[in-house]
Amino acid sequence: DTAVSQTPKYLVTQMGNDKSIKCEQNLGHDTMYWYKQDSKKFLKIMFSYNNKELIINETVPNRFSPKSPDKAHLNLHINSLELGDSAVYFCASSQAGTMNEKLFFGSGTQLSVL
Amino acid sequence: GENVEQHPSTLSVQEGDSAVIKCTYSDSASNYFPWYKQELGKRPQLIIDIRSNVGEKKDQRIAVTLNKTAKHFSLHITETQPEDSAVYFCAASTPDKLIFGTGTRLQVFP
Repeated sequence: DTAVSQTPKYLVTQMGNDKSIKCEQNLGHDTMYWYKQDSKKFLKIMFSYNNKELIINETVPNRFSPKSPDKAHLNLHINSLELGDSAVYFCASSQAGTMNEKLFFGSGTQLSVL
Repeated sequence: GENVEQHPSTLSVQEGDSAVIKCTYSDSASNYFPWYKQELGKRPQLIIDIRSNVGEKKDQRIAVTLNKTAKHFSLHITETQPEDSAVYFCAASTPDKLIFGTGTRLQVFP
């Protein structure tokens, strides 16, 4: 069983479209995250949720809207996609979100905006 | 806020040699320093971590050292093997997030 799973693995779309990425974890963790990895491999946190509540919202354009229906799921919706949104998006989870514990990453969603 | 610098950005070694990757951080309140390995096309995975009350930690061929005074920590890989080839990320914790370094691409040549 995959601990943190996200879908889709690949997403190719046109500029201006709206798309969603889904993430689910079966580890019973309280905290989930979205990270963005750009073409230079920089890993940057976008959002974190603890038990469905937004904890961290880095300076991400408001075209990005996370939603956590329950603590096992964290989805990411992106409106009006731009070329610069092309990246690999990783979902992750940790047990309590204290920032000094192991992160479990999903397998990533490679988003290509044409 | 916390800033984590990582060097070198690329590192090539011969199989069997040692590899060292260094990171510095800025926030003296950071107390947790993990290292993640990301193989090509895969997810980052934790390989070792160290907390601020410890100066060194070892797990088989990998070790991490921490110098709190100088605010730097290093990853040491001994007897490198081709399967060690990957991108390695250091990170430092703040009270609310983990800040990653810029990554080091390690290539181990047979």
